[in-house]
Amino acid sequence: DSGVTQTPKHLITATGQRVTLRCSPRSGDLSVYWYQQSLDQGLQFLIQYYNGEERAKGNILERFSAQQFPDLHSELNLSSLELGDSALYFCASSVDLTGTEAFFGQGTRLTVV
Amino acid sequence: AQSVTQLGSHVSVSEGALVLLRCNYSSSVPPYLFWYVQYPNQGLQLLLKYTSAATLVKGINGFEAEFKKSETSFHLTKPSAHMSDAAEYFCAVSDSSGTYKYIFGTGTRLKVLA
Repeated sequence: DSGVTQTPKHLITATGQRVTLRCSPRSGDLSVYWYQQSLDQGLQFLIQYYNGEERAKGNILERFSAQQFPDLHSELNLSSLELGDSALYFCASSVDLTGTEAFFGQGTRLTVV
Repeated sequence: AQSVTQLGSHVSVSEGALVLLRCNYSSSVPPYLFWYVQYPNQGLQLLLKYTSAATLVKGINGFEAEFKKSETSFHLTKPSAHMSDAAEYFCAVSDSSGTYKYIFGTGTRLKVLA
């Protein structure tokens, strides 16, 4: 158990809908990362937050947004969903910005039908 | 920009044989390098990491990796494969530009034959 909790584990929704994925980082970790894992794109970095502030953006679509709350949990919002958004979405957390280790959650498997 | 290349998307070994999974990186600064394992329908579990200390890094489950700067490589090895090692393995480099996000390779699926 990495200590990073992601909910829900599975999500099935229809095209055009909006969903929210939740991540609770390890206790004491200030940095949260979101990644998308799909068959065609592999593991792609989406966005990073550090202590409530957006730190970096990767290949995140404009239909996607995220935030980190004062209690440090984070949410990834995906809207106007398309079939191609079906993927495994991972959250990872680290204590700081030294890059020495990040801990990954079990992921949320999103299926868009 | 930093990048990671994993040679061989699929590797098959016999049980008890040597496991060698290849990873080459590209980085203009000393990198932090990682190997993660992903079992079916599971998350990513850290096997080992290199953070500029010893070049030979020992990880969990009998795996180890050697950082070779001259070859820009960080290959993962295990002397004797076990059936339970069947999984997908990802090499990653930590982006040193300030975000420290991970840049992952495309993964190598290891199959262990009885």
